[in-house]
Amino acid sequence: NAGVTQTPKFRVLKTGQSMTLLCAQDMNHEYMYWYRQDPGMGLRLIHYSVGEGTTAKGEVPDGYNVSRLKKQNFLLGLESAAPSQTSVYFCASSSPPHRATDTQYFGPGTRLTVL
Amino acid sequence: GDSVTQMEGPVTLSEEAFLTINCTYTATGYPSLFWYVQYPGEGLQLLLKATKADDKGSNKGFEATYRKETTSFHLEKGSVQVSDSAVYFCALSGAWEYGNKLVFGAGTILRVKS
Repeated sequence: NAGVTQTPKFRVLKTGQSMTLLCAQDMNHEYMYWYRQDPGMGLRLIHYSVGEGTTAKGEVPDGYNVSRLKKQNFLLGLESAAPSQTSVYFCASSSPPHRATDTQYFGPGTRLTVL
Repeated sequence: GDSVTQMEGPVTLSEEAFLTINCTYTATGYPSLFWYVQYPGEGLQLLLKATKADDKGSNKGFEATYRKETTSFHLEKGSVQVSDSAVYFCALSGAWEYGNKLVFGAGTILRVKS
C-alpha cells in the first residue's frame, strides 16, 4: 500500500496563475482533508470531504476550491494564486469518526511558492 | 472553540537526556488526543494517541497520558536519540457534525545533539 500520495512535491507559481494539487489514497477511507502548514501556526484545515461527491469548508477555505469525484482522490485548486498562499500543503485521509478509527494518515506534502 | 497549546521551541537536548514537551488543550466533550511527528522533509506520522481520560499512549519509547483534570497530554521520553530530531505536534480530535476535525498545536522543534 502506498498510503496517501500527493502530486506534485514542489511548485513555484506567479501571482494570478492557477494550479491543482492531487491527493490519492489507497486505504479505502471515506474522509479526506486538505491542510496548510505555516511556520508557528501548526496545520490548519482548508477543506474536507466525508465521501465521494461531497466537500465542505474548513477553517481557511478562501481562495481554494476542492473536488472529490472519486473516493480515492481529493483535488485542491487555486484559481488565482496569491503570495499569501505560499505554504506547505498536506492531504490526509481517515475512516469515519470513531474513537477506534479516528487517526488521520498524511501524505508527504506539497511545497508551494507563489511569487 | 477547541484549541491546543504547546510549549514553544526549539528544544535542544543532548543525546540520552530526558524529554518533556508540554501540551494543554481546550475542548468541549471528550476528544481523542494525538502526538504527530514530522521528520525533516516528510509528512506527519502518528506517534501515539489516547482516546479517553487516564489512557496512556506509547510508541518508540515516547509516552503521553491523557489528563482530563489538568487538560494536558504531555509528551515524554526517557532517553532521546539524535534520530528523534523532528517537529512534534500535539492535536485533538474535535469531532463535529460531519468529518473528524483535527486541531493542531503550533508544533515544537526538537534538536538532539550527539
